[in-house]
Amino acid sequence: EADIYQTPRYLVIGTGKKITLECSQTMGHDKMYWYQQDPGMELHLIHYSYGVNSTEKGDLSSESTVSRIRTEHFPLTLESARPSHTSQYLCASGSGVRDTDTQYFGPGTRLTVL
Amino acid sequence: GQNIDQPTEMTATEGAIVQINCTYQTSGFNGLFWYQQHAGEAPTFLSYNVLDGLEEKGRFSSFLSRSKGYSYLLLKELQMKDSASYLCAVWDSNYQLIWGAGTKLIIKP
Repeated sequence: EADIYQTPRYLVIGTGKKITLECSQTMGHDKMYWYQQDPGMELHLIHYSYGVNSTEKGDLSSESTVSRIRTEHFPLTLESARPSHTSQYLCASGSGVRDTDTQYFGPGTRLTVL
Repeated sequence: GQNIDQPTEMTATEGAIVQINCTYQTSGFNGLFWYQQHAGEAPTFLSYNVLDGLEEKGRFSSFLSRSKGYSYLLLKELQMKDSASYLCAVWDSNYQLIWGAGTKLIIKP
């Protein structure tokens, strides 16, 4: 089981603020992912990375950006938070040599934008 | 379009057996995952199927039929702690992971 951490666990913030959600993993996994999930709904991929200096957008346009300067760290930044960004954000990592390796999830950040 | 169908909610009795079905229509297939997600928590990995047949892991088993685009998760000897959502996810031909909305399983004493 992967060790993957997210901070903060909960965040309440006002509209227009810039926020960064942190995600770190200690397993040396090359692949990392950010998902958005609303209650009772499916996970939507917003960004992913297959290694250092590699980032790609997923199928959900979330107006966020990511960076991957170190293998273990994959932060997500919202330049200007809006109420529509209120959701649960899940970070995941995977290490397999196959493209279809298992994804292991962090505990999530529950974001509320007022 | 790509689609994964699961029942929204199921109810079962403690000690019983329950089968959660998943059907998928995706552009290609490179494997299917089942995850468990307790309310307010992150998904945790349960099983991975890439070949047809049944994979057994303790009280949980997962079955795949690629020709039918169908999988099920079988939970035996249900315990109260099994109350959770169960997510089905499929790797398509572009190695994108397509997620179902999950099945909420309610266990009653």
